[in-house]
Amino acid sequence: EPEVTQTPSHQVTQMGQEVILRCVPISNHLYFYWYRQILGQKVEFLVSFYNNEISEKSEIFDDQFSVERPDGSNFTLKIRSTKLEDSAMYFCASRAGEPPSYGYTFGSGTRLTVV
Amino acid sequence: QQQVKQSPQSLIVQKGGISIINCAYENTAFDYFPWYQQFPGKGPALLIAIRPDVSEKKEGRFTISFNKSAKQFSLHIMDSQPGDSATYFCAALQGGKLIFGQGTTLQVKP
Repeated sequence: EPEVTQTPSHQVTQMGQEVILRCVPISNHLYFYWYRQILGQKVEFLVSFYNNEISEKSEIFDDQFSVERPDGSNFTLKIRSTKLEDSAMYFCASRAGEPPSYGYTFGSGTRLTVV
Repeated sequence: QQQVKQSPQSLIVQKGGISIINCAYENTAFDYFPWYQQFPGKGPALLIAIRPDVSEKKEGRFTISFNKSAKQFSLHIMDSQPGDSATYFCAALQGGKLIFGQGTTLQVKP
């Protein structure tokens, strides 16, 4: 079964450093997402990406965050200057297209620890 | 209005029992209601989902009941097994974005 692949599985970074979280969505999917889950809390939407541009972003997704699809396979989330409160699990997801639910699949996540 | 409220926060059920998790929403623009199962260290995995024009959907031991007028939906796990022990999230979809409930940690005792 096709999978969404995320790397690394765990990253530890110093506060103020830049991190890039990487995702390889399912190959024929068109819509890409990042979600975040702070330990013990619910999964929260960060951003959606379609046709090489952001289609929607949450209020969490401020100027320190950016997303990019640098080639035909990767989808990245960059945090420019990490803060302690950025520590969370970050999940990438992708879906094929309409209907909106079609093929919505999550990766296993990257655990980001900011120290 | 974007919230999805989920209860209970945690649930302990004996093997073979029925697990019931409830969710409520406000936004009538939601058009798809999935349930996700999450094991520690893993991403959410789709368990079962329902559209608002259907009142019930059953897949194996898992059933969603949907009450559109009350804006509530629930997950029933029949014959609960220790392997069902996980965190369960209800969610609602609007325009491709998922809004998750707070999650329910289910423990099924042997």
